[in-house]
Amino acid sequence: DIQLTQSPSSLSASVGDRVTLTCRASQNIATYLNWYQQKPGKAPNLLIHAASRLRSGVPSRFSGSGSGTDFTLTISSLQPEDFASYYCQQSYDSPTFGPGTEVDIK
Amino acid sequence: QLQLQESGPGLVKPSETLSLTCSVSGDSIRSSPFYWGWVRQSPGKGLEWIGNVFWSGTTFYNPSLEGRVSISVDTSKNQFSLRMTSVAAADTAVYYCVRHEGQWMVEVDYWGQGVLVTVSS
Repeated sequence: DIQLTQSPSSLSASVGDRVTLTCRASQNIATYLNWYQQKPGKAPNLLIHAASRLRSGVPSRFSGSGSGTDFTLTISSLQPEDFASYYCQQSYDSPTFGPGTEVDIK
Repeated sequence: QLQLQESGPGLVKPSETLSLTCSVSGDSIRSSPFYWGWVRQSPGKGLEWIGNVFWSGTTFYNPSLEGRVSISVDTSKNQFSLRMTSVAAADTAVYYCVRHEGQWMVEVDYWGQGVLVTVSS
């Protein structure tokens, strides 16, 4: 199966910061990569699919890029409601998720 | 607005069978091109795809769980169900039902609220 790694595993940031999260796949997955946000006690929420397509209703401060094995999720200006965990998921083959990145308040 | 609601026992004994149902409201489970699936989340293993079903009955399963898992659909009740046999403590998790496009979860647009299932004697 395709393994996903995420870095960093956690980070502390301030409101207004630009934040970049990374997801790496163990093999080429083209752009079959999704990003989710999850808050405590809630189900994950899709932010970006196909590596860079913003889901309808998701703020434009979120953006995704990458193809092949290396992908990034960028939050251009961190807002209070963005403190959460973020997961990547590949949809190239039998789906797998990354271990997540926790973004907390500095 | 589509809603997904999981239901089933919150406690299952080791070696027994876990059974969960997801009730779909706000749209027909026959809607194309959507698949209906199950994802679980545990502290030890993170998020894990279990499998999915199309309204016609076609299923796809996580290879690591295949043999213990079956997913079925009941279009008359607008529901789909998960059955997992021979459960162990490692199967303790929050189980979510989801709707998505593509057999490999290309775009998951709806999640249920999740149900905690604990495997313990």
